[in-house]
Amino acid sequence: AQSVAQPEDQVNVAEGNPLTVKCTYSVSGNPYLFWYVQYPNRGLQFLLKYITGDNLVKGSYGFEAEFNKSQTSFHLKKPSALVSDSALYFCAVRDKAAGNKLTFGGGTRVLVKP
Amino acid sequence: DSGVTQTPKHLITATGQRVTLRCSPRSGDLSVYWYQQSLDQGLQFLIQYYNGEERAKGNILERFSAQQFPDLHSELNLSSLELGDSALYFCASSATGTPREYEQYFGPGTRLTVT
Repeated sequence: AQSVAQPEDQVNVAEGNPLTVKCTYSVSGNPYLFWYVQYPNRGLQFLLKYITGDNLVKGSYGFEAEFNKSQTSFHLKKPSALVSDSALYFCAVRDKAAGNKLTFGGGTRVLVKP
Repeated sequence: DSGVTQTPKHLITATGQRVTLRCSPRSGDLSVYWYQQSLDQGLQFLIQYYNGEERAKGNILERFSAQQFPDLHSELNLSSLELGDSALYFCASSATGTPREYEQYFGPGTRLTVT
C-alpha cells in the first residue's frame, strides 16, 4: 500500500528564516507526490506536485519541494517564511491502484513567529 | 477559491439521524472525491466517482453512501449517525485528460457535529 509519513507534528520557525516540512514516502513504482496546505476553517489548497522530471518542483506562494528517490523523501521548503505561512501542511501520495485517491500524511503544523 | 462548492457549511444533528452533504465540482471536472477529516483518523479517503460511476472506494462505512448525478454534482449520505461520525467532510474534484488531471481541488468542507 502507498503511504506517506510526516515525522514532525509541529515546526516552529522565525519569520524570514528558511522553512522545511519533512515527508517520506513508501510506494511501489514511481510515486506521484503532492503537498497541500490547510488554513483554519478552510479546505485544502494545492501547493505543488511531483510526477516526473526535475527533482526540484516549484509551486504556489514561493514554496518548492525536493524529490529524493534514494532517501524516499519529498520535503517542502520555502527560503524565507512569512507569518501568513502558519498553517497545517499535508503531504500526499496518489494511489494508482485505487483510482486517483490521495493518501495523506498526518499533517505538520507550521508556526511562523514574527 | 478552488471552484468546488459544498453545502451546508455546518450541520448539527442527533445520533441515529440521516444527513445529506452536497458537492458541486469545478466546471468541467468529471471526478469527485469524498474525504473525512477527524482528529483521531486524520484525512481519510471515502469514495470516488467519475462521470456518474463509482471508481474507487476507501474505508467508507456501510451506513454511508454517495452518488454522482448527471449534472456531475455529488451527494454523500450518512445514516444512523453516531457520535464518532462528527468530522469535517471534504469534497474534491479533478480534471481528466489534462496536464493537471492528478491535482485534486478541495471544497471548503462541511463540518458535521453529531450530538
